[in-house]
Formats: sequence, C-alpha cells, structure tokens
Amino acid sequence: SQQGEEDPQALSIQEGENATMNCSYKTSINNLQWYRQNSGRGLVHLILIRSNEREKHSGRLRVTLDTSKKSSSLLITASRAADTASYFCATADTTSGTYKYIFGTGTRLKVLA
Amino acid sequence: DTEVTQTPKHLVMGMTNKKSLKCEQHMGHRAMYWYKQKAKKPPELMFVYSYEKLSINESVPSRFSPECPNSSLLNLHLHALQPEDSALYLCASSQDAGWYGYTFGSGTRLTVV
Repeated sequence: SQQGEEDPQALSIQEGENATMNCSYKTSINNLQWYRQNSGRGLVHLILIRSNEREKHSGRLRVTLDTSKKSSSLLITASRAADTASYFCATADTTSGTYKYIFGTGTRLKVLA
Repeated sequence: DTEVTQTPKHLVMGMTNKKSLKCEQHMGHRAMYWYKQKAKKPPELMFVYSYEKLSINESVPSRFSPECPNSSLLNLHLHALQPEDSALYLCASSQDAGWYGYTFGSGTRLTVV
C-alpha cells in the first residue's frame, strides 16, 4: 500500500508550544498535502508542497519535504487550543496513471489550555 | 461560494432500505470525490468523477452506486448496506482531477442497523 505513515500517532502539548508531526511515504510523488480534521467533521486543506519545493510557510504552519528520504514534516508554531484536531498528509499517487490522493494514518493533536 | 455541501448530516438506515447521499458545490470544480472514513482511520477513496464521468472506482461493492447528474452535483445511492458500512462519508471537489487541493464537505454520518 502506498499509504503514508505519520508519527507520532498522538501528541499532547501545552498551549503556546510548537507541534511537529511527520509523514513518511513509499513511492514517487508529484506533491504532498496536509489536511486538518476536527472531530467527526470534514477535512480542511492546509498546504500543498510540490516535489521540487523543500519548504513552505503559511501563517503559523511550516511544511518541509525531503524527497530523498520520502518524508515530510508539519510544524505548527505557538499552538492554540483551537489547533486540537487530527492532521493527515496526503500523497499524490502517480503509479496508477490516474490522479488520486492517498491519506496517511494521521496524527491526533491535543493542545491543552 | 467556497463550500461543498453534503446532505443529510446524519442518516440511520436499515439493511433493506434504499437511501441517497447528496453533495453539491458551486465553485466550478470539475472533479468530485467520495471518501469513506471509519473512526480513527484516514479517509479511503471510493470514487472519482472527472468532468461528470466516473474515472476511478476503488473496487467498491455494488451496493454503493455513484451518480453525477451535472457538474455541481454528486450523489451516492445506497442499497442493502451492511452494519460494517457504517462510517462518515465525505464528498470533496477540486478544480480538476489533477494535482490540486481538495475542498471537503462536512460529511454524512451513516449508521446501518
């Protein structure tokens, strides 16, 4: 399976601290995306990083991509209670000849006030 | 309008019932998707529609029948479901069936009794 694996599976931090979660994948990719999902709700697109990019920022989010190691990380700085959610990476599967994204296993983040 | 709207939000159905899930977007997106998500698991792709044509069916059982009547609307018809089909069903859309970010709806929580 191409499904990405994320670690840690769960992370609990204090408000104001930084949160880092990692995603590893198995095949060549065109791009990698990160999504947030609040409990039982739909997913929200956070950021897309292309395979020729190494780092991307959006507000308090910083994403890195290392295609040689087939890994990506998402850093949330100065976390807030509202950041409590599950975070998924999604990789673009190019092997089938069609466009589809496969979601990783996810990291459940809890930010304590 | 930057939303994907899914109805109903909750659905309880018996194993002999026929029901439909509805998904609507008015962003001019030409690709639409159905995902299934079990508790504490990542979303799993079911179907992809591109320009109103079914382009990917991830070996989904025939008791799930997708339909795309027009570029704004996506339905998922359900018939003779099993209790293990209980899950959150997510609809998403993207500009095109290429390497773009997805906009997700908030999902339909389906319970099969």
